Amino acid sequence: DVKVTQSSRYLVKRTGEKVFLECVQDMDHENMFWYRQDPGLGLRLIYFSYDVKMKEKGDIPEGYSVSREKKERFSLILESASTNQTSMYLCASSLSAHGGTGELFFGEGSRLTVL
Amino acid sequence: GEDVEQSLFLSVREGDSSVINCTYTDSSSTYLYWYKQEPGAGLQLLTYIFSNMDMKQDQRLTVLLNKKDKHLSLRIADTQTGDSAIYFCAGASSNDYKLSFGAGTTVTVRA
Repeated sequence: DVKVTQSSRYLVKRTGEKVFLECVQDMDHENMFWYRQDPGLGLRLIYFSYDVKMKEKGDIPEGYSVSREKKERFSLILESASTNQTSMYLCASSLSAHGGTGELFFGEGSRLTVL
Repeated sequence: GEDVEQSLFLSVREGDSSVINCTYTDSSSTYLYWYKQEPGAGLQLLTYIFSNMDMKQDQRLTVLLNKKDKHLSLRIADTQTGDSAIYFCAGASSNDYKLSFGAGTTVTVRA
């Protein structure tokens, strides 16, 4: 069974803290993505990666960075967390390099609260 | 990129049909998708349609695509309580790795 695992379901952090959100997929997928989900706004793409050590900015990259040292792992980093980064963060992966069926496989999400 | 819009809420009686609507802006969108998110879970792909199709049926689900109006709809026949969820419309062009999602439609099924 395909699986995308996000290491933390719930996190509470303080303003200014550095936050790491980890995501691992076991499907040997090339593409990995980080989205944030906010009510009324849907999913907005933060960063994505189509290969190891490759990364590209999505629609809302400000305040975030990413790391992909291994194919199966894609980390989202908040260098200095702020209250407006309180959100649900969703990691996803996909196999096809050019859309194909485009199916994204999602993790269960990490709900981050920044106080 | 793609801009995708959908209404935020839908309430439907159990056993009735649900119709969720979506509009998109990018006429070059090659693939259009419907994802379902149940409470506390990530998104799961329900179905997708290629831009060269007008309709796709899969058991209780029917997807209709009107390319001229850039309108996509998802019909769920005989809606059940287990269909209560958030439904996201998403689109991607053929040379794009990333999907653009709508805001999601929260479907509530009442007895």
